[in-house]
Amino acid sequence: DQQVKQNSPSLSVQEGRISILNCDYTNSMFDYFLWYKKYPAEGPTFLISISSIKDKNEDGRFTVFLNKSAKHLSLHIVPSQPGDSAVYFCASGGTGTASKLTFGTGTRLQVTL
Amino acid sequence: NAGVMQNPRHLVRRRGQEARLRCSPMKGHSHVYWYRQLPEEGLKFMVYLQKENIIDESGMPKERFSAEFPKEGPSILRIQQVVRGDSAAYFCASSPRDRSNYGYTFGSGTRLTVV
Repeated sequence: DQQVKQNSPSLSVQEGRISILNCDYTNSMFDYFLWYKKYPAEGPTFLISISSIKDKNEDGRFTVFLNKSAKHLSLHIVPSQPGDSAVYFCASGGTGTASKLTFGTGTRLQVTL
Repeated sequence: NAGVMQNPRHLVRRRGQEARLRCSPMKGHSHVYWYRQLPEEGLKFMVYLQKENIIDESGMPKERFSAEFPKEGPSILRIQQVVRGDSAAYFCASSPRDRSNYGYTFGSGTRLTVV
């Protein structure tokens, strides 16, 4: 039962353009959502999060949008840079889940010159 | 200010041997989480520990796997009688409180290969 889904395994974007990574979830008990970035042979690095009481959170070039009715969130990176090339994981948790996060399968972003 | 330290980075074990994975949380962090990533998959929660307590082990296989976080020393994930299906990357994370919505800090992982 895949409660967090990232349906695009890969995405290629030109440098300077916008990257949009998508994530869908099924569990209505999730009340916060996070994005992690992962380089090969390294651990995931926390990028940005959003609480279910918000629909948008922005941090520099990164913005996360949450559509609760659609159970959908997205990460926008603008402008995209070559150093953004990595695997991006969406993760979700809830106050009733004892700090356990449920991760999606990841989207590999390639930013080309 | 060292991050989450995991060792070894790479571990090769023959089928039937034991694997011990270590995790030292960040200074000041008293909550530790273990996740496993199988090839081409996302991270799957295994266990959440505080010092001397297992808080949530709902993701741990029922047999052969155990975890501890003693009062002194690192957290240990122990896999007895390893099988090929245990080959994966095992990540440890820590946080200063039981609120993962602020984002844990992950270590670089231990890559276990069972031959």
